[in-house]
This record gives sequence, C-alpha cells and structure tokens, in this order.
Amino acid sequence: QKEVEQNSGPLSVPEGAIASLNCTYSDRVSQSFFWYRQYSGKSPELIMSIYSNGDKEDGRFTAQLNKASQYVSLLIRDSQPSDSATYLCAVSNGNNDMRFGAGTRLTVKP
Amino acid sequence: EAGVTQFPSHSVIEKGQTVTLRCDPISGHDNLYWYRRVMGKEIKFLLHFVKESKQDESGMPNNRFLAERTGGTYSTLKVQPAELEDSGVYFCASSPTFSGNTIYFGEGSWLTVV
Repeated sequence: QKEVEQNSGPLSVPEGAIASLNCTYSDRVSQSFFWYRQYSGKSPELIMSIYSNGDKEDGRFTAQLNKASQYVSLLIRDSQPSDSATYLCAVSNGNNDMRFGAGTRLTVKP
Repeated sequence: EAGVTQFPSHSVIEKGQTVTLRCDPISGHDNLYWYRRVMGKEIKFLLHFVKESKQDESGMPNNRFLAERTGGTYSTLKVQPAELEDSGVYFCASSPTFSGNTIYFGEGSWLTVV
C-alpha cells in the first residue's frame, strides 16, 4: 500500500467550476498535511497546509481534513485556466519528513 | 531572500559516469532534503539532513548514491556509477528548525542517463 494515494487524473473541469482533489494516507500518526501545486517543469509550491480536522479556507482554496478516515482534500472554487497544474498531496509525521502522493493532473478548460 | 538553488539544472550523462548535484538551501535553514521524481511516478524521499548530520537516509536507493552536507550549508548528491534508472528530477528542499513547517523546494536538477 502506498503511503499517500491520489487519483492521477487527468481531472478536467470547465472554467468557473469547482475542482475537487482527493488524497488518502496510510500512516495514522501523520500530523501535518500539505497541498503543493506543480506547473510543468517547475518546482512544487505550497498552496495550503492543514493540521486539524475540518476545513481551512484561503481565497478560492479550501482544504479539508478527516484524520479518522485518513483523508484530505482540496477544493478549488471558480477554477481558472491558470489553475491547470499537477497537485501534490504531502503528509508529514512531524519529524520534518514528508511523503508525497503521485499527484493529480488538473486541466481547467476555458 | 534567495530560495533553494540547485545546480546543474539539466545534466545528460552516459551510463557508468558520475554526476554530482549541488543544493544551496535557504540561508539559516537547518533542514535539507533530497527528493527524486522519476517519470510518471510520485516524488520520493531520499534523505534528510539536520545541519551536517543525516537524520534519515532510508530513501536512498542503493550505495551508488552518496549525499554530503559538510559544514551544514550546501549539500551534494553524487551518483556513481550512474544507471539508466537513475534518470529523473532530483529536488532539493529546505526548512527551518521546527517540525511541521513548510519546506521550500528548489527548481530541481533534471538528470538523464543514456
């Protein structure tokens, strides 16, 4: 079983729609959860971090965490073509070691 | 403030040759990580330095890979001898002292072994 699992996609949504990205993890002691966005040929950049159960909103982005279900998601509202990228879910056990999922490729069509 | 910088950005070498990748973390960051992404696969953890000490090197694939961080500043990752399956993007990242903090990635070193 992979430590962090994501649907590789591609996920395609029309401009203005909500994009929903999902991630599950296997290590129950995981404490910190991150979503990174990676444009083709570029380095991953952090867009959201979440540490407690529930929702965390930042602009058009909402991260949702459910530790009991070992599930974390990212919602992107009013999706824009510039949101087209690969989204990486990352999980840390608090010891500064981070494990990544394979990433979900998102395409937002104008 | 300068970000994490990596060199070279791209490298093409023949099987059996040696390549050394360098990473300069953000100034003051004690934690330095190496990750690798091979084509179509997830980013995989290789190892983690805290200052000059190896905190965790459980992700290093084999003894052809050697990472160093002398003096606790920049780090090098040497692959010797390189094999075809070593091709991929090698990312370096750094973070400050406290756990749970964001890690900052470099642009990556793209390695192709032919």
